[in-house]
Amino acid sequence: NAGVTQTPKFQVLKTGQSMTLQCAQDMNHEYMSWYRQDPGMGLRLIHYSVGAGITDQGEVPNGYNVSRSTTEDFPLRLLSAAPSQTSVYFCASSRDDGGNQPQHFGDGTRLSIL
Amino acid sequence: GDSVTQMEGPVTLSEEAFLTINCTYTATGYPSLFWYVQYPGEGLQLLLKATKADDKGSNKGFEATYRKETTSFHLEKGSVQVSDSAVYFCALSDQRAYTNAGKSTFGDGTTLTVKP
Repeated sequence: NAGVTQTPKFQVLKTGQSMTLQCAQDMNHEYMSWYRQDPGMGLRLIHYSVGAGITDQGEVPNGYNVSRSTTEDFPLRLLSAAPSQTSVYFCASSRDDGGNQPQHFGDGTRLSIL
Repeated sequence: GDSVTQMEGPVTLSEEAFLTINCTYTATGYPSLFWYVQYPGEGLQLLLKATKADDKGSNKGFEATYRKETTSFHLEKGSVQVSDSAVYFCALSDQRAYTNAGKSTFGDGTTLTVKP
């Protein structure tokens, strides 16, 4: 019963490096999203997807790319890491049911940019 | 756009005290409302939800009622335990199909500490 799996759990990068945060879900959910969590700011939506091959920008998309080639996977790419991207990143998935369904979250990736 | 406002924390209570965490929202559509809980080092977990006016969501002794007239969804528990110490998030999700897309709008979170 894995649910939403995020890897890695921790990562330290240098400014300018790139990396991919992995997210996989085994619940056959149509919707997937990426959020970042910063102290005192709740969760802010970065990108989201309503199905394989379809993605769109959220509230804070700059500096991040996503793709969704399968229902299960939704990786988040940092193109050129900046200290402002130091944060905790959460991937979430949910079922398509008219907004009544809750989101299921992974345990997060804690990312530090030096 | 949609927004969620939670009472500011942190909140510190003694065990068996009564808990209220206020949450109000603004939404252009007709939202579903959720409370999530986050324990240290973990992701958010659904605590309870309500999908229409006057619905009451409940779980593990926590309750919240969807009040459309006051646009509120306050979280309550009659007697808190040390194990309830966590961060609590109020959230909404638009029920309109063309804007839903599984997205949610979250409050800033309220940190609760319960002391023995």
